[in-house]
Amino acid sequence: DAKTTQPPSMDCAEGRAANLPCNHSTISGNEYVYWYRQIHSQGPQYIIHGLKNNETNEMASLIITEDRKSSTLILPHATLRDTAVYYCIVRVEGAGGTSYGKLTFGQGTILTVHP
Amino acid sequence: DSGVTQTPKHLITATGQRVTLRCSPRSGDLSVYWYQQSLDQGLQFLIQYYNGEERAKGNILERFSAQQFPDLHSELNLSSLELGDSALYFCASSPHLKGNEQYFGPGTRLTVT
Repeated sequence: DAKTTQPPSMDCAEGRAANLPCNHSTISGNEYVYWYRQIHSQGPQYIIHGLKNNETNEMASLIITEDRKSSTLILPHATLRDTAVYYCIVRVEGAGGTSYGKLTFGQGTILTVHP
Repeated sequence: DSGVTQTPKHLITATGQRVTLRCSPRSGDLSVYWYQQSLDQGLQFLIQYYNGEERAKGNILERFSAQQFPDLHSELNLSSLELGDSALYFCASSPHLKGNEQYFGPGTRLTVT
């Protein structure tokens, strides 16, 4: 799995867009970008994933640069409930060998949404 | 609500003891994963089962073992417990063997005294 780099913490005002960056400069062509978040002491929650096109779902949007070396998770209208640790994970879809579905979580970005 | 259930929510036990954590995956999911989250180690993958068979292993201690039963629920057994085993233990499930989209349960908080 490619290494990812995320800022340790970010702040955002409630109602504004939260833009969380992730660098993955060693990403290979068949690796996807996944985002998870973990609200304090709860189980991690899958948010979104993508390969090279921008993706949007009911939770967030994912923007991947054309060279795929970085991406941004966008929460369009952050609320206090979005305060969490956000993890960016790069992984081959359906990774084989002995790693299968093993997700490797880094330190992530602590997003704090302020009133 | 992810659809994954874990019991118990909290567990307090003494060093040297043995405990069993239980996980029920989402309906239809064949893969179950166990993760450990401690303050100093972060979230770490322990083991994966798919349709009853062990399929991937992470940094799981020999004192720990797991199994997945025919009804697909899974149990994580922790024995000869040490203070350092105190952590949150999460179970996750996915439909497939190679699932990167995993759904996590609420976790079991284990405290070893």
